[in-house]
Amino acid sequence: DAKTTQPTSMDCAEGRAANLPCNHSTISGNEYVYWYRQIHSQGPQYIIHGLKNNETNEMASLIITEDRKSSTLILPHATLRDTAVYYCIVRVPGNAGGTSYGKLTFGQGTILTVHP
Amino acid sequence: EAGVAQSPRYKIIEKRQSVAFWCNPISGHATLYWYQQILGQGPKLLIQFQNNGVVDDSQLPKDRFSAERLKGVDSTLKIQPAKLEDSAVYLCASSPRTGGYTEAFFGQGTRLTVV
Repeated sequence: DAKTTQPTSMDCAEGRAANLPCNHSTISGNEYVYWYRQIHSQGPQYIIHGLKNNETNEMASLIITEDRKSSTLILPHATLRDTAVYYCIVRVPGNAGGTSYGKLTFGQGTILTVHP
Repeated sequence: EAGVAQSPRYKIIEKRQSVAFWCNPISGHATLYWYQQILGQGPKLLIQFQNNGVVDDSQLPKDRFSAERLKGVDSTLKIQPAKLEDSAVYLCASSPRTGGYTEAFFGQGTRLTVV
């Protein structure tokens, strides 16, 4: 799986948008970009994933650059409960033929602190 | 739907003792993962099962760690004997299927302290 680079920490004011960058310059054509977050004392939680188009769900938006070498996770209106470690992961999805099993490899992540 | 269940939540043992962790994945999930998370670091994959077969155990310290997944459902992870550096949170996760997009659902983990 391709390596990702994220800032160690970021701050955000409550109610403002939080924009978390991720660099994945060695990403391959069939690798997806996934984002997970981990709130203190809990297991990681899936947020969103994408291949090359921008994606949005009830939690966040994912913006992937045209060359796919970087992406940004956007939390549109951050709350105190969004304080967590955010992990950007690139991975090949598993396939039914069994030649790829969708290994999920975590890096250090970005510590996002949302303050009042 | 019920989430991934892990037990115990906390465990304190002395070095050289043995310990076992249990995981019950979400019903019907084919893929099961065990991760080790040392304080201040991201989770590290120890072993990945597809049904009851191992597909990746490259980072499992096989001289002391073992894992099994009986009948492709529940799984246990064992450490024997434990070392001080095994102090960590052990996370279990499961995914619905092999092919295509595979979101992983994580349990709350077992916090192990080796003294």
